Amino acid sequence: EPEVTQTPSHQVTQMGQEVILRCVPISNHLYFYWYRQILGQKVEFLVSFYNNEISEKSEIFDDQFSVERPDGSNFTLKIRSTKLEDSAMYFCASSEAPPGRKYTEAFFGQGTRLTVV
Amino acid sequence: KNEVEQSPQNLTAQEGEFITINCSYSVGISALHWLQQHPGGGIVSLFMLSSGKKKHGRLIATINIQEKHSSLHITASHPRDSAVYICAVTGNQFYFGTGTSLTVIP
Repeated sequence: EPEVTQTPSHQVTQMGQEVILRCVPISNHLYFYWYRQILGQKVEFLVSFYNNEISEKSEIFDDQFSVERPDGSNFTLKIRSTKLEDSAMYFCASSEAPPGRKYTEAFFGQGTRLTVV
Repeated sequence: KNEVEQSPQNLTAQEGEFITINCSYSVGISALHWLQQHPGGGIVSLFMLSSGKKKHGRLIATINIQEKHSSLHITASHPRDSAVYICAVTGNQFYFGTGTSLTVIP
């Protein structure tokens, strides 16, 4: 069964360092998403991406964050200068169709646990 | 402001019990999703529905569009059902509930 894969599963970084979280979406999917979940809190939307550009982003997704699809398979989330409060589980997801469509189902990766020290 | 509200937040049940988790939402949606988050953190999609009822094994999900409400039922609960169950709705993006942490005791 096709799946979304994320690497690494756990990353520890020093405050102020740049991190890149990687995702390989399902191959025929066109819409890609990043979400984060701070420990003990709900999942929060960060950004959606389609046709090589951001289609929606939340207030959380400020200038510290960027996303890229550097090749035909990877979808990355970069945090330029990490802060302690960036510590969270980051989930990538992908879907064939946009969120507004009736039968859009998103498939989630296993997540990357980012710890900023 | 929470677009999606779930109840209860925490639920402990004895093995074999019938379990219901509720979800109410306030935004216009095209579909509602029930997700399961395992202790390790990974998220699995259980159901996606836009009307009526769906059943998969011991899991049943219902939605009432007029009342903006959905329920997830687990029949004959088992310890392996212990997880966080998240309701999410699809509007112009995905909105997530805070999750219901379920523990099923043998």
